[in-house]
Amino acid sequence: DAGVIQSPRHEVTEMGQEVTLRCKPISGHDYLFWYRQTMMRGLELLIYFNNNVPIDDSGMPEDRFSAKMPNASFSTLKIQPSEPRDSAVYFCASSFTGRAGYTFGSGTRLTVV
Amino acid sequence: AQTVTQSQPEMSVQEAETVTLSCTYDTSENNYYLFWYKQPPSRQMILVIRQEAYKQQNATENRFSVNFQKAAKSFSLKISDSQLGDTAMYFCAFMKGGGSNYKLTFGKGTLLTVNP
Repeated sequence: DAGVIQSPRHEVTEMGQEVTLRCKPISGHDYLFWYRQTMMRGLELLIYFNNNVPIDDSGMPEDRFSAKMPNASFSTLKIQPSEPRDSAVYFCASSFTGRAGYTFGSGTRLTVV
Repeated sequence: AQTVTQSQPEMSVQEAETVTLSCTYDTSENNYYLFWYKQPPSRQMILVIRQEAYKQQNATENRFSVNFQKAAKSFSLKISDSQLGDTAMYFCAFMKGGGSNYKLTFGKGTLLTVNP
């Protein structure tokens, strides 16, 4: 298995632009998580899905952030409009049942200038 | 809410020696899971070891082992025969048991450097 695949690996965008981060989970995994990592706040859960349904989005910072999972093999995290404070590494992770721990993707480093 | 504390921002160890990373957590739950993740410079988050709170036996994975003290809410990671490839950030994480909430709460991490 190729693991959890995220794209792009790096993204540099201007303030106010729309940014879309993509994730392909491991086949057969029924949970998908989006985390954000910053120096100040560490790793924070943004949202997670079970069988493509959003379960907990309480970590989504504000309405500028949205996430979708149209099918079991694809999810997106969108920021519109982007702001410099959104600069961070965004991780996608997937899991089968959750309790075994997650498999993380390589992350997307987002820089908003 | 659960909190995870890693009190050592940075540590260093000589190759082939043993090092222990500390982690404490605060929870009112009795059923939960604890994890250690490794993040090397490549940025990939890698699961190192997992412990179920209701199991008294400490988990072991090759050179990695934990000292789980439930009453003290302590979950330290011991790395034996340290290798240069062990250089990484190490994160301790907590997950509630029961129900269907699979959120991982992470500590701030410990940067471990293995010196030749």
